[in-house]
Amino acid sequence: NAGVTQTPKFQVLKTGQSMTLQCAQDMNHEYMSWYRQDPGMGLRLIHYSVGAGITDQGEVPNGYNVSRSTTEDFPLRLLSAAPSQTSVYFCASSYSEPSVGGELFFGEGSRLTVL
Amino acid sequence: GQSLEQPSEVTAVEGAIVQINCTYQTSGFYGLSWYQQHDGGAPTFLSYNALDGLEETGRFSSFLSRSDSYGYLLLQELQMKDSASYFCAVSDQAGTALIFGKGTTLSVSS
Repeated sequence: NAGVTQTPKFQVLKTGQSMTLQCAQDMNHEYMSWYRQDPGMGLRLIHYSVGAGITDQGEVPNGYNVSRSTTEDFPLRLLSAAPSQTSVYFCASSYSEPSVGGELFFGEGSRLTVL
Repeated sequence: GQSLEQPSEVTAVEGAIVQINCTYQTSGFYGLSWYQQHDGGAPTFLSYNALDGLEETGRFSSFLSRSDSYGYLLLQELQMKDSASYFCAVSDQAGTALIFGKGTTLSVSS
């Protein structure tokens, strides 16, 4: 099992460019989420999904889109990159709901720099 | 909304015991989770408390008091490899996503 796989690991963009961060999991988990991590800010929830075809906004959704067409994949799209989106992005998945202590499994992160 | 408070930094020496506190304010509470992250790598799950009391897993223990909206992570017999960031987390109001605190950086020295 590969677990949660994120690509790319590193990316440099120019302001205004768009791109997609890929996230795939092979554990048949229903719950998937995207976080961004900035120094001193912890992990902030961007978007999440409770199953294929269902997504919802988290704490900091502006400037990002998501879709969930399959159980395995949960891509994060940056529509028009801004320097404020320079961050480390983590994708996570879990088998059961966080409300019952569902353990999150994280990918290794995607480090994005917007110039 | 959900908010969590934890100290930003804690320092300790090898072999010591350290406690990392977490207070929370939530619209609906299910339980408190703890995660560990080394050097910006993937966070990993440590523990989950849904009920009041202490849960022990080896050198790590986690405590919850629902009436005080408070919990802590207790690390015993500290080792250098315990130097990491520790995050407490609660689920959102719907219980379908996890909200994290800003994290506590633990530095263990010899």
